[in-house]
Formats: sequence, structure tokens, C-alpha cells
Amino acid sequence: DVQLLESGGGLVQPGGSLRLSCAASGFTFSTSAMSWVRQGPGKGLEWVSAINSDGFSTYYADSVNGRFTISRDNSRNTLYLQLNSLRAEDTALYFCARESSGWYLYDYWGLGTLVTVSS
Amino acid sequence: QTVVTQEPSFTVSPGGTVTLTCGLSSGSVSTSHYPTWYQQTPGQAPRTLMYSTKTRSSGVPDRFSGSILGNKAALTITGAQADDESDYYCLLFMGRGIYVFGTGTKVTVL
Repeated sequence: DVQLLESGGGLVQPGGSLRLSCAASGFTFSTSAMSWVRQGPGKGLEWVSAINSDGFSTYYADSVNGRFTISRDNSRNTLYLQLNSLRAEDTALYFCARESSGWYLYDYWGLGTLVTVSS
Repeated sequence: QTVVTQEPSFTVSPGGTVTLTCGLSSGSVSTSHYPTWYQQTPGQAPRTLMYSTKTRSSGVPDRFSGSILGNKAALTITGAQADDESDYYCLLFMGRGIYVFGTGTKVTVL
């Protein structure tokens, strides 16, 4: 079975940093594009960032561009999101998701890890 | 960045029909945006209902259908049931690796 397990969330002060991880299993991670999607408390889904299968192409929403960095380690089947210069509005549940190859959708999701930015 | 707009809420009677739409702040939605529709209970992972405009995901009942209506993507629920009460989000592929979610629609079956 496909599994995506996020970790690394927590409480951080404004301006602080955090690194999220997503451990993947049950599929060939190294051939799958991956993304991070977040959902603020009581808010809708927001696409955050994506990375292609070999890690050489990355993409970001305007709201996080320059502050967040997506990366992956295909030898460890793990996706990462480095969050820097955090703001209160970055408070959200962060999901990792697998992009279904060639179909432009996210077919598998993790359960999310909660990031709270507060002083 | 582009804003993708959805109706904030709909109320539909059991057995009734409702059409949710997904539009762009600038321009028209087309099949080239590969519209995807998700159903979500807050705090849980989204469930894929429809992708590539009108292809139902595995296990999704045929009372859900997708289309392009005018300049928007649309999700129609025909014969709404109580367990269709949920939040619905569209997702559009904007090209160059960028995706945007719609603002979401809360559907109440009452």
C-alpha cells in the first residue's frame, strides 16, 4: 500500500525555521513527482510547492517563494520542505502528496503535520 | 498569482442536483488545465472525485460528473445523498509545474 508519513511540524516563533519530512513507501518514489499542500485552520487547501522526480526542477507558490525550499532524497524515499522566515499566516496542516504521472492530479496524500507559528 | 474561484456554499435537498463551478480570475478554464475535483472533511486528506475534467476516480459513484460549462470547470452531483455533505475543491494545472486550488465550496444536504 502507498503510504506518505509527514513529520517535523511543531510550534515555532515568527521568523523561525522548521524542516518537514515526508517518508514514502509502497511505490517507486524515485519516479514520482511530489508536492506539499497546506491548509490553514478553518481555511481551504493551498498548493505550496512541487518537485520533479529527479529533484532538479522545483516550483513554488508566490506566497512562499524565497522562504521555503523543497527537496528530496531518492535514496531515502523522503521528501523535504525547509521553512524559513516563518510568519503567522504559515500556520497550517502541511500535507505531502504524490502526483499521478501524466494525469495532473494528486492521487495519494499523507495525513499531514501541523505547523504553528506564534510567539 | 492566479485566483481560482468557487461558490462559497450550496445547500441541496436529498435527491436533488447541484452544480459547483471553478473559474479563473483571469481567463477561461479549459481541459488544458486538467481540472481535478476533491472532496474533503476538514483535517483529513482530500479524496479525488474527478480528474482530467470528467474522469471519475476509482470507486466514485456515477452521481458525480465533471464538465466544462462555459468558461468554468464544473462538478455536478445528481441525486445528492447525506454523505455528500462535505467541502469540495477544484485544482487546476497552470503550466510550468504550478498548480492552484480553488477557494472551496461547502455543500450541505438538507
